[in-house]
Amino acid sequence: QSVLTQPPSASGTPGQRVTISCSGSSSNIGINSVNWYQQLPGAAPKLLISNNNQRPSGVPDRFSGSKSGTSASLAISGLQSEDEADYYCAVWDDGLNGPVAFGGGTKLTVL
Amino acid sequence: QVQLVESGGGVVQPGTSLRLSCAASGFTLSSYGMHWVRQAPGKGLEWVAVIWFDGSNKYYGDSVKGRFTVSRDNSKNTVSLQMNSLRAEDSALYYCARVGARYTGGWYRPLVVNYGMDVWGQGTTVTVSS
Repeated sequence: QSVLTQPPSASGTPGQRVTISCSGSSSNIGINSVNWYQQLPGAAPKLLISNNNQRPSGVPDRFSGSKSGTSASLAISGLQSEDEADYYCAVWDDGLNGPVAFGGGTKLTVL
Repeated sequence: QVQLVESGGGVVQPGTSLRLSCAASGFTLSSYGMHWVRQAPGKGLEWVAVIWFDGSNKYYGDSVKGRFTVSRDNSKNTVSLQMNSLRAEDSALYYCARVGARYTGGWYRPLVVNYGMDVWGQGTTVTVSS
């Protein structure tokens, strides 16, 4: 059981805006930055958002990250078929289980 | 180009050992911390270990603590994961990944904590089975 809680699935239609949540605690999201990863089928994970809301070079601005308290969100606007993938949040955890925790992952389906 | 290539995976029996390697190219390995992350078939990502850019600090996930050891040889541009007392539940695809920020001086911990993993290899598969 991960210390970070994500919904197991999400879906949307092309062009729509979808959000994926990541819930943590005061020992992880509450005090450290959240990173988001996209994993396309059969591929290695790719860093999508670092330091809560920074997009690495090459990541479209359709992807954005935010954090409030002990929760974080990934938003994808203008949904495209190629966005169908698994999405993971991750954070450094200063609690007993540390130090790096991944969320359980969210499977995004583009309808 | 910036690249990480893992090797050393295979099929082994429970209780035995295996050593994974991660070869880095296209960047100065000695300026970056490195992570190991694994993914069991059909499952999510599980963090395994991290080593500071200079090897001065190492941290492990609870499930591998005391059995796995991460090390690095910056002169050979490689990072290794020594896995002992392997169990069936260690079967997974093992990735090495680079800390998402280069060390340029000062306190290193914030870079590891905040900047994620920006470059990943394609992984090497470990299967533990009798």
